[in-house]
Amino acid sequence: DAKTTQPNSMESNEEEPVHLPCNHSTISGTDYIHWYRQLPSQGPEYVIHGLTSNVNNRMASLAIAEDRKSSTLILHRATLRDAAVYYCILREGAQKLVFGQGTRLTINP
Amino acid sequence: NAGVMQNPRHLVRRRGQEARLRCSPMKGHSHVYWYRQLPEEGLKFMVYLQKENIIDESGMPKERFSAEFPKEGPSILRIQQVVRGDSAAYFCASSPVEGVNTEAFFGQGTRLTVV
Repeated sequence: DAKTTQPNSMESNEEEPVHLPCNHSTISGTDYIHWYRQLPSQGPEYVIHGLTSNVNNRMASLAIAEDRKSSTLILHRATLRDAAVYYCILREGAQKLVFGQGTRLTINP
Repeated sequence: NAGVMQNPRHLVRRRGQEARLRCSPMKGHSHVYWYRQLPEEGLKFMVYLQKENIIDESGMPKERFSAEFPKEGPSILRIQQVVRGDSAAYFCASSPVEGVNTEAFFGQGTRLTVV
C-alpha cells in the first residue's frame, strides 16, 4: 500500500484558514489523493479527493503539487466543528482505504 | 437517500457469546468495507465485499471472524466467541462503483463492548 506522511497534530484559531500538509513521495500515476476526517465519536467523513489538478468543494480545497509528491488540504475558515482527525489517503486499485494516524486538528475559539 | 446504516449502535456481549453487526449500504451501492477501531487507535481495514463475494479479507483475523454480503439484505460481520480484545468500534463503508475515483461513505459505527 502506498504511504502518506502527516503531522501528528496541528492547532489553529477559529475563523482562520488551516493548511494541512501530506507527503506521498511514492505515489503512483493512477493513485487518487483522498482526504477524510473523523469527528469525535463518529464515523469517518469524506472531505475531498483529486488526481492532478487542484479541487474545490463546499467543505475544503485540495492543492496538489506539480510532481504529486505532496498535497495540502485547505479549510478556508475553520470553525470549532472542524476539530477532528484528518486523514490523507492514496487510493489504489484495490479499493480499500488504508488509514494512517492522521493529523489531529485542534481549533481554538 | 439514507446514508449507510449500521445497527445496533451499541452492543454488549459476555465473553464467549456471538456478536452480529449489520450494515445496510447506501441505495445503489454494491461495495461494502468493514473497519475496526480499537480505543485510541486508528482505523484498520478488515474486509471488502461485493454482493455475494468477498473481494479482500486481508485484514480479517483468521479465526472467529466472518463477513457476508448476501444478494438480499444487509452485510453482516459476525464475531464468534467474543473476547475482551474484540471491544472496539466497527465501521462499515459503502461505495457505488469500482474504481479509484469514487468516495466511500461511512456509517456511524457499532460500538462493541465485551464484558
